[in-house]
Amino acid sequence: QSALTQPASVSGSPGQSITISCTGTSSDVGGYKYVSWYQQHPGKVPKLIIYEVSYRPSGVSNRFSGSKSGNTASLTISGLQAEDEADYYCSSYTSSSTLVFGGGTKLTVL
Amino acid sequence: QVQLVESGGGVVQTGMSLRLSCAASGLTFSNYGMHWVRQAPGKGLEWVAVISFDGSKKYFADSVKGRFTISRDNSKNTLYLQMNSLRAEDTALYYCASGWYLFDYWGQGTLVTVSS
Repeated sequence: QSALTQPASVSGSPGQSITISCTGTSSDVGGYKYVSWYQQHPGKVPKLIIYEVSYRPSGVSNRFSGSKSGNTASLTISGLQAEDEADYYCSSYTSSSTLVFGGGTKLTVL
Repeated sequence: QVQLVESGGGVVQTGMSLRLSCAASGLTFSNYGMHWVRQAPGKGLEWVAVISFDGSKKYFADSVKGRFTISRDNSKNTLYLQMNSLRAEDTALYYCASGWYLFDYWGQGTLVTVSS
């Protein structure tokens, strides 16, 4: 049950787009459509922003989008806003019927 | 709206036990798989365990397998996590969350501190 691999940090200026990668294996990310993404502001509860690779829950901005290629999933945030500054985590279902998170990525809006 | 409220956290010594609870409202609890997820201070999220909607399927992270058990009482809309043989590395904020392949609703968490 190794954690999925995410960059520790990414940054971007307001209005720009950034992409956060999430790399796993064929036993998790590459093998299933059940990749999800979570946003966590400091001291707050994580919030689901993408599920099943690319679907947005009701109420989540369409500036957030997800995709997957092979064993790597990606979260793209377009039109960066100051409020997007947060930690982002990916998660995947695995072949062992367990779930696994990525190590998290800290997004800084410059 | 959906509310998940965890309780039962506290300070315990290494090797001791603790039982966490998660009271659910605003959703048909018996239709949902439920997870426990933890977050050590200043660290990332770690999945702990999941139980199916009817309690028939249970899965655990390797780090807690054999020490933690997960259960639910659908008549009380409550999820439980029994934690035995606690270690310092179990110190974390423990969240309950609904879902099976994802975590769609989260509680505020309950803090567990394991000290020697």
